[in-house]
Amino acid sequence: GAGVSQSPSNKVTEKGKDVELRCDPISGHTALYWYRQSLGQGLEFLIYFQGNSAPDKSGLPSDRFSAERTGGSVSTLTIQRTQQEDSAVYLCASSLEVGINEQFFGPGTRLTVL
Amino acid sequence: AQKVTQAQTEISVVEKEDVTLDCVYETRDTTYYLFWYKQPPSGELVFLIRRNSFDEQNEISGRYSWNFQKSTSSFNFTITASQVVDSAVYFCALSAWGTGNQFYFGTGTSLTVIP
Repeated sequence: GAGVSQSPSNKVTEKGKDVELRCDPISGHTALYWYRQSLGQGLEFLIYFQGNSAPDKSGLPSDRFSAERTGGSVSTLTIQRTQQEDSAVYLCASSLEVGINEQFFGPGTRLTVL
Repeated sequence: AQKVTQAQTEISVVEKEDVTLDCVYETRDTTYYLFWYKQPPSGELVFLIRRNSFDEQNEISGRYSWNFQKSTSSFNFTITASQVVDSAVYFCALSAWGTGNQFYFGTGTSLTVIP
């Protein structure tokens, strides 16, 4: 069975440009999470989706960050007007249900803002 | 408030030594879940174990064992006879009903096993 996939694996962009990061969760998983991991740091929660419920956006660092999940499956994280401090690895994870089940992580997208 | 503390930032051991990674958590919820993840140098996080708050039995899986003690709010992870392949960053995480179902990750412990 396929795991969580993310694309692109690497993204280099110029400051001020918008970027879109994609996540394909494991089929049948209703919960989907986005995290950010800066070099040598822990995981910073950004947002999660659970089924058709309103997402928990409490971790988004600014209004330049947004995410959507279409059809309860694929999710896109968008960062507008990127800044150098946005450089990090963006991780996506999915689980059967939010909270109680273990999360399965994708390989991440390494974003570099020049 | 929910919090996970991994006080050990870096540990180095010589191959075949045993090593214990500490995890201390804080929550006021009576129902919660604890997790351990491994992040090898390749970068992808790998799930190791989940434990719910009602099950304090310790668990052993091969060279890995976990000691859950509610009295000390700890969920420690021991690797017996460590191997070079165990070198990774290990994260402990907490999820509780009162947190809105977010996962709270510790800052991780970087383990280096020296051959």
